Amino acid sequence: DQQVKQNSPSLSVQEGRISILNCDYTNSMFDYFLWYKKYPAEGPTFLISISSIKDKNEDGRFTVFLNKSAKHLSLHIVPSQPGDSAVYFCAARKDYGQNFVFGPGTRLSVLP
Amino acid sequence: NAGVTQTPKFQVLKTGQSMTLQCAQDMNHEYMSWYRQDPGMGLRLIHYSVGAGITDQGEVPNGYNVSRSTTEDFPLRLLSAAPSQTSVYFCASSWGSGTMNTEAFFGQGTRLTVV
Repeated sequence: DQQVKQNSPSLSVQEGRISILNCDYTNSMFDYFLWYKKYPAEGPTFLISISSIKDKNEDGRFTVFLNKSAKHLSLHIVPSQPGDSAVYFCAARKDYGQNFVFGPGTRLSVLP
Repeated sequence: NAGVTQTPKFQVLKTGQSMTLQCAQDMNHEYMSWYRQDPGMGLRLIHYSVGAGITDQGEVPNGYNVSRSTTEDFPLRLLSAAPSQTSVYFCASSWGSGTMNTEAFFGQGTRLTVV
């Protein structure tokens, strides 16, 4: 039973447009959420995070929105660039420690 | 700083063989963990450690063993390799503990194939 879901395995977007990646979770005890980006043959790299006490966090072109009542978060990338093409993982912290539960990932392709 | 270093990058094992995946970090992080990534399933936690001498099981610990004798190193041992352990393995570390909101830093991964 996946506690963190990313229902879109892939997404294609034109360069310069907005990319929206979605993530849903089932465990209301999750209190911290992160997005990771992963290129082929590399490890995941941290992108942006949000605490459950906030509903939005921005860092340059990247914004994460959290809707606790819907147990839904999204990552917005504006404007999208070809270098953003990667697999994006949504992750949630469990049990207050440093353990994370990951979603299956969404492959983003930004077309020039 | 090298960050989190994993060796080897690739490995092919025969069923029943044992091996150790190495992980080292130079950031003085207390927390370290091992994940495996399988197609369509994201990353799943195998074992983790909150400091030297302390380890605990994650979501999928069967068939794996860990120890943490130093802050820097956190090796993962496969006791008797099985084809179901074919996966990409990632080691991660973070400086936070308890309720601190911190991210994990990942190594480049080890791609393991068991035949």
